[in-house]
Amino acid sequence: EVQLLESGGGLVQPGGSLRLSCAASGFTFRSHAMNWVRQGQGKGLEWVSTISNDVHSTYYADSVKGRFIISRDNSKNTLYLQMNNLRADDTAVYYCAKNPGGGFSFGHDYWGQGTLVTVSS
Amino acid sequence: DIQMTQSPSSVSASVGDRVTITCRASQDIAKWLAWYQQKPGKAPKLLIFLASTLQSGVPSRFSGSGSGTDFTLIISSLQPEDFATYYCQQSSSFPITFGQGTRLE
Repeated sequence: EVQLLESGGGLVQPGGSLRLSCAASGFTFRSHAMNWVRQGQGKGLEWVSTISNDVHSTYYADSVKGRFIISRDNSKNTLYLQMNNLRADDTAVYYCAKNPGGGFSFGHDYWGQGTLVTVSS
Repeated sequence: DIQMTQSPSSVSASVGDRVTITCRASQDIAKWLAWYQQKPGKAPKLLIFLASTLQSGVPSRFSGSGSGTDFTLIISSLQPEDFATYYCQQSSSFPITFGQGTRLE
């Protein structure tokens, strides 16, 4: 059974940093591209970042480029999102989502339950 | 960036109804479109990818069509568990973008 378990969310002050983790199981992690998608309270889905299965390619939404870093450790079956210089508008539930394979164009077939990040003083 | 526009933003329907949701891309995305269902407090669920391919385990009352810039999600006979918010998503190019959502109530 595929499982994606996010952790690391919480309350952080503006300008602060946080690192999210997503522990994956039930599939061959190193064979799948992975993503972070967020959703503000009462708002729609916003794609944040994607990383290729082999780590060599990363992509970011303009809203987080230069502040967030996506990474993965295929030996630990874990996806990460390092979030720096956080702003109030980064407040959201952050979901880890898996692609069906190494490609980027077939949607996200499994999602974690999400972890809440709140940026506030 | 490719803008995705869904319509309607909300729709009121009853069990047994046929429901149609449309999604328009601001430029040609071929068939690189997915549809998701999201219930309150839950993660999104993939329904359809490649515009018309049903994800494994998704009931056949869901169907998708379209290519280029215009896409449609149809629920042929609405069931009680289908009341949710639906999103389209393009993955033709980065940045990946979602539609604003359609609330089915």
